[in-house]
Amino acid sequence: NAGVTQTPKFQVLKTGQSMTLQCAQDMNHEYMSWYRQDPGMGLRLIHYSVGAGITDQGEVPNGYNVSRSTTEDFPLRLLSAAPSQTSVYFCASSYDTSGNTIYFGEGSWLTVV
Amino acid sequence: DQQVKQNSPSLSVQEGRISILNCDYTNSMFDYFLWYKKYPAEGPTFLISISSIKDKNEDGRFTVFLNKSAKHLSLHIVPSQPGDSAVYFCAAGLQGAQKLVFGQGTRLTINP
Repeated sequence: NAGVTQTPKFQVLKTGQSMTLQCAQDMNHEYMSWYRQDPGMGLRLIHYSVGAGITDQGEVPNGYNVSRSTTEDFPLRLLSAAPSQTSVYFCASSYDTSGNTIYFGEGSWLTVV
Repeated sequence: DQQVKQNSPSLSVQEGRISILNCDYTNSMFDYFLWYKKYPAEGPTFLISISSIKDKNEDGRFTVFLNKSAKHLSLHIVPSQPGDSAVYFCAAGLQGAQKLVFGQGTRLTINP
């Protein structure tokens, strides 16, 4: 009963490095999304996907790429890490768009130095 | 420009009393609203929601009130229990859209 699984849980990056945050869900959900949480800012939508092969930008997409080659996986790529990307990242999945069916992962803590 | 605002970063309530968490929004197009609860080192979990066609929704100890004219919603927890201590986020969205806008969160502490 894994739900939404994010890896890694903690990561320290140097400015300019690239990395991928992995997200997998085993609930056969069509909808997946990535949020970042910053102090005093709540959760902000980075990118989302409404199904395999379909992605779109959220509120704060700059500096991030996503792809959705399978229903289960939705990786988030940081192209060239910047200190402003230090944040907690949450992956989420849902089977509809109502909001009350969203399941969040446990979060990935990323520090860019 | 924050479309959803929770102006109280923290709230402390005695066990057994009522907790009231508030949320304001600016976009009159939002047509459904949700509250999420978050414990440390965990992802947010859905708590309760309300559609814009209603002004109240109840689920056990939790009630959400929506005042569309004031663009304001509130979450009432009664009676408050120690396990309710968490960060609460309100969120707003449009039906059929995959985008939710979250408030900044309010840290609720229930004191024994």
